[in-house]
Amino acid sequence: GENVEQHPSTLSVQEGDSAVIKCTYSDSASNYFPWYKQELGKGPQLIIDIRSNVGEKKDQRIAVTLNKTAKHFSLHITETQPEDSAVYFCAAAGSQGNLIFGKGTKLSVKP
Amino acid sequence: GAVVSQHPSRVICKSGTSVKIECRSLDFQATTMFWYRQFPKQSLMLMATSNEGSKATYEQGVEKDKFLINHASLTLSTLTVTSAHPEDSSFYICSARENTALYGYTFGSGTRLTVV
Repeated sequence: GENVEQHPSTLSVQEGDSAVIKCTYSDSASNYFPWYKQELGKGPQLIIDIRSNVGEKKDQRIAVTLNKTAKHFSLHITETQPEDSAVYFCAAAGSQGNLIFGKGTKLSVKP
Repeated sequence: GAVVSQHPSRVICKSGTSVKIECRSLDFQATTMFWYRQFPKQSLMLMATSNEGSKATYEQGVEKDKFLINHASLTLSTLTVTSAHPEDSSFYICSARENTALYGYTFGSGTRLTVV
């Protein structure tokens, strides 16, 4: 089955700096890769996603890149703000249509 | 946009009792429902997948007789934790997908279960 690795597990940046989180997946048949932000005690919130037919997608300060050959995808957050502090999860859609999640990255943005 | 309402948000129960968690899709038909469990500071682990009107498919290591899933309608799925024990204390999250929205996964807000 699908396996998703996510790095780093923790990331601390200064407000205004950029943050990058990387994920790799194992199943070459996976074709949908969402990123979620989870705040304490809440369910995950979709922030951006990418399908396998594109290599990059942007939404304001957030971007995701996908390298299908290498089977890795990354989340880029520019001009970070304290409210960006949360746990971020990458995921890949498995062959059953279910989402397999990475272990998460705790992002801390220091003012 | 699509919304999934999950209740209760928090529940405390005694060991040996059962707890039911509900997830309702408010403005779409949830053809498939995924149930996840999340322990503190860990990732979401898929417990089971259910399609409306069919028996749920459980992931390896998840006891189907302990975690009963009912998906009898296109707008409601329930997870019942039977004979709960303290080790079942966790954050349970549902995710619904509409058949026509191939990659549209909508998550509930989660249920914090504490078994004492």
